[in-house]
Amino acid sequence: AQSVTQLGSHVSVSEGALVLLRCNYSSSVPPYLFWYVQYPNQGLQLLLKYTTGATLVKGINGFEAEFKKSETSFHLTKPSAHMSDAAEYFCAVRTNAGGTSYGKLTFGQGTILTVHP
Amino acid sequence: NAGVMQNPRHLVRRRGQEARLRCSPMKGHSHVYWYRQLPEEGLKFMVYLQKENIIDESGMPKERFSAEFPKEGPSILRIQQVVRGDSAAYFCASSPPGLAGARTDTQYFGPGTRLTVL
Repeated sequence: AQSVTQLGSHVSVSEGALVLLRCNYSSSVPPYLFWYVQYPNQGLQLLLKYTTGATLVKGINGFEAEFKKSETSFHLTKPSAHMSDAAEYFCAVRTNAGGTSYGKLTFGQGTILTVHP
Repeated sequence: NAGVMQNPRHLVRRRGQEARLRCSPMKGHSHVYWYRQLPEEGLKFMVYLQKENIIDESGMPKERFSAEFPKEGPSILRIQQVVRGDSAAYFCASSPPGLAGARTDTQYFGPGTRLTVL
């Protein structure tokens, strides 16, 4: 079984400060890892994903994440926060189902990011 | 290129009524997933469907919930005899059919249907 733990349900930063959202996963097989962002009353938008290859993944809006197998982590970072980054962020893991790439996503509990002026 | 569409966006039902949630996947996508987001919780997988087939329904409650994805038309998530605990946001996601060597591992989400049971 796979699981995702997001440390910190709420993170608050000042505008211009570093953003660090933590995600640890548990998976018995090599995972695919995702970060999604959800703005109020909207659906989820994909920020970035790791499948294979380079462990540092760059996404939209200046976000990036690094897959660390030894630490089973996939933390999300952004060097300088912007007011528009305020949203809820979800880390998700997916394992191949029967050799295909159709497996369901297992989500963490989410982290609400607040950005102060 | 329209994204995943869900309707209605908001649905209010009284206890005991039926709720029907619709999802139209992105053009060319043949795989649909339903997730439920309860208040203060993350998204939980419910069911995964391909055209006319249920592939994985391990997250569906055993009673009152059903899903379909017919050959023609949208996918439907149906909740019979709704109770207050069914109040949640229901999200649909879709992904394209798998091709050899293709990166078909991204699920694209719709805006969700927010169900309120009075």
